[in-house]
Amino acid sequence: GESVGLHLPTLSVQEGDNSIINCAYSNSASDYFIWYKQESGKGPQFIIDIRSNMDKRQGQRVTVLLNKTVKHLSLQIAATQPGDSAVYFCAENVAGAQKLVFGQGTRLTINP
Amino acid sequence: EAEVAQSPRYKITEKSQAVAFWCDPISGHATLYWYRQILGQGPELLVQFQDESVVDDSQLPKDRFSAERLKGVDSTLKIQPAELGDSAMYLCACSSGRYTGELFFGEGSRLTVL
Repeated sequence: GESVGLHLPTLSVQEGDNSIINCAYSNSASDYFIWYKQESGKGPQFIIDIRSNMDKRQGQRVTVLLNKTVKHLSLQIAATQPGDSAVYFCAENVAGAQKLVFGQGTRLTINP
Repeated sequence: EAEVAQSPRYKITEKSQAVAFWCDPISGHATLYWYRQILGQGPELLVQFQDESVVDDSQLPKDRFSAERLKGVDSTLKIQPAELGDSAMYLCACSSGRYTGELFFGEGSRLTVL
């Protein structure tokens, strides 16, 4: 069915280290994936997306990796900064459904 | 930068009362979404509009929830009567096309039902 979940609900990293946030999805028909960042008291903010015909996409300090074989998505944040503290959600679109399904989220905390 | 406006930011009500949330999307964004986000969980789609038409309301509890976007611009989500389990953040989002992954979210309306 359409379900997206995350391996870890919380992640703590040292400032300056790289962060890796993981996501597992269950629907092999999903063709588009997005990472969102949600800061406390705010709505989700788009970070980066990737289509199913790609396995890697890079943005500014962020990289998304897609492994369709094991239905796994990850978000890598380079040189994590205090401003990266937030809850990160992966979301998937099932081809033809035109509906974005969000995962549960991972809370990223930065240790000084 | 254009933003999605939502009001009220916070609403406290007693169960069985009626509540309404308003959303004004980014100008020109034809697709509008209402999501519900329970604390600690990801947003869940309640209803999707394309202009003034409902595209998907399969997850909207229609016995108590209603949504409209009469002129294809701003939108209202209503709950009547409110139940304790409706306590959540109600998020409005929009996108410029029929569907794009880049949804622009408002700050949300946090509902507490007592």
